[in-house]
Amino acid sequence: KQEVTQIPAALSVPEGENLVLNCSFTDSAIYNLQWFRQDPGKGLTSLLLIQSSQREQTSGRLNASLDKSSGRSTLYIAASQPGDSATYLCAALKANQAGTALIFGKGTTLSVSS
Amino acid sequence: DAGVTQSPTHLIKTRGQQVTLRCSPKSGHDTVSWYQQALGQGPQFIFQYYEEEERQRGNFPDRFSGHQFPNYSSELNVNALLLGDSALYLCASSLGGEQETQYFGPGTRLLVL
Repeated sequence: KQEVTQIPAALSVPEGENLVLNCSFTDSAIYNLQWFRQDPGKGLTSLLLIQSSQREQTSGRLNASLDKSSGRSTLYIAASQPGDSATYLCAALKANQAGTALIFGKGTTLSVSS
Repeated sequence: DAGVTQSPTHLIKTRGQQVTLRCSPKSGHDTVSWYQQALGQGPQFIFQYYEEEERQRGNFPDRFSGHQFPNYSSELNVNALLLGDSALYLCASSLGGEQETQYFGPGTRLLVL
């Protein structure tokens, strides 16, 4: 059974800091790994998707890496801003003959102070 | 191009009642997945619909059922509501391929009293 764990559960940093969010998964047989952002009471916004054959993806100040062999992914946020305050969720896509399902971690709640 | 839409946005029900939530996928998407997100938790996979059939199901009781229509829109039905069913229900659509990104709607927040 796939389990996804995110560390830390919460993080508070001053504006301008670079930071790393960690995600680990128990089953390396994943098809891709996604990072999402969720603002309070809102739905999910996809930030980055890393295919199983890839090692990393970048979008602006965000960089996500994937190491399937060790079951780990990291989300690096450069020069953090107060607008980055949100909960960040990672999710591993599992697939079988029946279909696909995203398995989520519980998230890391980030607070960036100005 | 409209993204994934869900209705209603909020809903209050009492224990034992039944509820129906609705989802319209992103244009061109043929696969709809439903997730339940309890407060402070990550979303949990409920089931996935493709070609009007449930093709994958998570660890949820039979009280949770769904339907997909020919236009790919979908409904989630929950019978005999329990207090523990209070959650944000998220719908996601995709093009069905294994490598495809799932796009999420804003969710329906259900409160069971």
